[in-house]
Amino acid sequence: DARVTQTPRHKVTEMGQEVTMRCQPILGHNTVFWYRQTMMQGLELLAYFRNRAPLDDSGMPKDRFSAEMPDATLATLKIQPSEPRDSAVYFCASGLTTGTSGSSQFFGPGTRLTVL
Amino acid sequence: AQSVAQPEDQVNVAEGNPLTVKCTYSVSGNPYLFWYVQYPNRGLQFLLKYITGDNLVKGSYGFEAEFNKSQTSFHLKKPSALVSDSALYFCAVKVDTGRRALTFGSGTRLQVQP
Repeated sequence: DARVTQTPRHKVTEMGQEVTMRCQPILGHNTVFWYRQTMMQGLELLAYFRNRAPLDDSGMPKDRFSAEMPDATLATLKIQPSEPRDSAVYFCASGLTTGTSGSSQFFGPGTRLTVL
Repeated sequence: AQSVAQPEDQVNVAEGNPLTVKCTYSVSGNPYLFWYVQYPNRGLQFLLKYITGDNLVKGSYGFEAEFNKSQTSFHLKKPSALVSDSALYFCAVKVDTGRRALTFGSGTRLQVQP
């Protein structure tokens, strides 16, 4: 049963610390998305990769956030330094997109981040 | 540009009654439309999508949605609600050209009362 995995599932850290969240997309999928979900803002797209290349990271605060895909089986989202306002659930999703067709996205279980 | 609106924060319906969760969209071009559901402490799950063809799309768990181009709507429906349908529902849209990712609505919480 193929699924997107995310680690860690929960992270509590102090302000100023570096946070790294990891995502393993479904094997064979060529698109990876990072979302942040909060009560106030809802679901926000942070970054979007296709074939490991970043296509859109306009939703991501560049000064502290960075997203990478070191290889096709791993996507990372880093926050350095973290701030209390970064507390949220971070979701990774993957999909298979050819051309501009509307592929379905498969979401991971999320990483619940709390920054004290 | 692309955007999607879910005008209701919450929808309450009695078990066994039909349910509708509303969604309207705006895109510069032809839309691809999606519905996702989120259960507590879980990621989003795909329900159904409209790409082209028949305006009535059937999806998982007995849900369906009707694409209405003139009203720019894609409302989610189910003939008979179950208590287990209680969850957060998200509508999403992307334009059929270019590299844009999905834009999600703010979500509608569906509460089905026994």
